Amino acid sequence: AQRVTQPEKLLSVFKGAPVELKCNYSYSGSPELFWYVQYSRQRLQLLLRHISRESIKGFTADLNKGETSFHLKKPFAQEEDSAMYYCALSTDSWGKLQFGAGTQVVVTP
Amino acid sequence: EAQVTQNPRYLITVTGKKLTVTCSQNMNHEYMSWYRQDPGLGLRQIYYSMNVEVTDKGDVPEGYKVSRKEKRNFPLILESPSPNQTSLYFCASSLTPRTIEQFFGPGTRLTVL
Repeated sequence: AQRVTQPEKLLSVFKGAPVELKCNYSYSGSPELFWYVQYSRQRLQLLLRHISRESIKGFTADLNKGETSFHLKKPFAQEEDSAMYYCALSTDSWGKLQFGAGTQVVVTP
Repeated sequence: EAQVTQNPRYLITVTGKKLTVTCSQNMNHEYMSWYRQDPGLGLRQIYYSMNVEVTDKGDVPEGYKVSRKEKRNFPLILESPSPNQTSLYFCASSLTPRTIEQFFGPGTRLTVL
């Protein structure tokens, strides 16, 4: 069965420091991977997806099929990056998303 | 404004009292889904619907029912709520069943005493 693992429940970083959120998945086929973010008192929203290979709000994520990972990175964290981040995996065409347990990021000044 | 709405936003109820959480989207999306969010477990899919009258179980469907009689609405029904269904519930929709961006509602915090 497919599975998404986010090993860190909480990441605390200083403003301006790099931040990396780990995501590992288990799936034997070709996955689609996403990062969703939930800011305080806001809805869950899509941050980025691997197929678009884009940088959003300074965040990037590279799919590494060999390591089955999709880590989210930002070189210089900002206070507004404080949020809950979820890695999500889609393995079929029916829109079913498998979410990880989430990582809470706290950026302190 | 394009959005997904849920009602109620907060609900406290007692064991066994049937309740319905409504979800509505105004984006003409085919696909809709319900998730529950629990600490340490992330979001888990309860049910999803690929189109009108087409629904299927997600990962944690026990104790829940859904219906999709109209494209815009996807209510979540708890026939006999139990305390283990205390959770934060999210409805989501996307244009087609093929995963593109899913748009989430604001959430419904349910407490079952």
